[in-house]
Amino acid sequence: EAGVTQSPTHLIKTRGQQATLRCSPISGHTSVYWYQQALGLGLQFLLWYDEGEERNRGNFPPRFSGRQFPNYSSELNVNALELEDSALYLCASSYGLGQPQHFGDGTRLSIL
Amino acid sequence: GENVEQHPSTLSVQEGDSAVIKCTYSDSASNYFPWYKQELGKRPQLIIDIRSNVGEKKDQRIAVTLNKTAKHFSLHITETQPEDSAVYFCAASKGALTGGGNKLTFGTGTQLKVEL
Repeated sequence: EAGVTQSPTHLIKTRGQQATLRCSPISGHTSVYWYQQALGLGLQFLLWYDEGEERNRGNFPPRFSGRQFPNYSSELNVNALELEDSALYLCASSYGLGQPQHFGDGTRLSIL
Repeated sequence: GENVEQHPSTLSVQEGDSAVIKCTYSDSASNYFPWYKQELGKRPQLIIDIRSNVGEKKDQRIAVTLNKTAKHFSLHITETQPEDSAVYFCAASKGALTGGGNKLTFGTGTQLKVEL
């Protein structure tokens, strides 16, 4: 069984630019979650998508947004990038509410 | 919102010894508590989880205990091996409850080092 896959592995941007990160969940999983892992700050919940709908978002500004496609893959968009957005962005998936979340390898976003 | 505290932040043990990592949570509605292991440069890997209707769960050398009254849960690793060296994260979630409770709130992590 293929795990959660994320692309790209690394992304380098400059301040003010926009970034798009992609995630493909495990086959059969309908929920996708995005977390930010910044150095020294642990994992912070960003967004949760289920059946194509945004179900919950964490304490992040509106310039963090995303969507889930009919095939359950997901995209995270970050607009007007700031230096503090530099972090590892992890995607996880689960096959339903209250079920274990399994993570991908993440996208390392670096803002210059 | 939920707050999860994790201790210690670093833990060094000798190979073969036991290691214990403790977490406390603030929201009594939380009912799902997973533990993740993250090796350097790798994805967080789910190693064990427990739900609020169970007090203890074991999987080979790993066990988790939950005290709902005190709102704390612990990870126990016995007979530690060098490959157990990693950062361990605890987390809490409201699971299937409504109101967007499926998100995981993580502790700040414990760097476990198993020395030969």
